[in-house]
Amino acid sequence: GAVVSQHPSWVICKSGTSVKIECRSLDFQATTMFWYRQFPKQSLMLMATSNEGSKATYEQGVEKDKFLINHASLTLSTLTVTSAHPEDSSFYICSDGQLQETQYFGPGTRLLVL
Amino acid sequence: SQQGEEDPQALSIQEGENATMNCSYKTSINNLQWYRQNSGRGLVHLILIRSNEREKHSGRLRVTLDTSKKSSSLLITASRAADTASYFCATGADKLIFGTGTRLQVFP
Repeated sequence: GAVVSQHPSWVICKSGTSVKIECRSLDFQATTMFWYRQFPKQSLMLMATSNEGSKATYEQGVEKDKFLINHASLTLSTLTVTSAHPEDSSFYICSDGQLQETQYFGPGTRLLVL
Repeated sequence: SQQGEEDPQALSIQEGENATMNCSYKTSINNLQWYRQNSGRGLVHLILIRSNEREKHSGRLRVTLDTSKKSSSLLITASRAADTASYFCATGADKLIFGTGTRLQVFP
């Protein structure tokens, strides 16, 4: 299956700073990638669908100005958490794959905001 | 909102025993998928079952799908300590929505 990488794997930052997370599809040209957030001992919650060359589609309740998504190429999508606060601390996971078919997930990025 | 509800939320068994997890969903589906997540890691795809299929096998995994009841089950036979993980079902048309998950603990 497809290989997806994420960088960084973990990050600690101060409140108020911005953090960028990269998601790369290493062997698949992904016109669409997905960003999820997972709090401890909970399920994955879809945050947004990243569309190559166009604006991302955000799920209800997700602030698009706070979670900036850029999908400038077929292999790279980035999620920037702007002005991060402690409540943004979470595990962020991206995936790619065909719609309605198998999704391939990155290893995740653990964000801790102090 | 969550598409799938899974039960049990947590399951503890001994090595060699079978583990069964159930998933219920709300809307019509084209397929249903099961994923596994080791603690603090990304998700690994286990199996995809289509809406016109009733049962599917992959190694020690057996998945059933009952579209009339909007439910699916995942059976892991002859469990191993290495099967300890969280298991999620997921469905969706234009996006994948995950169930609440079952945390499986297999004791050696």
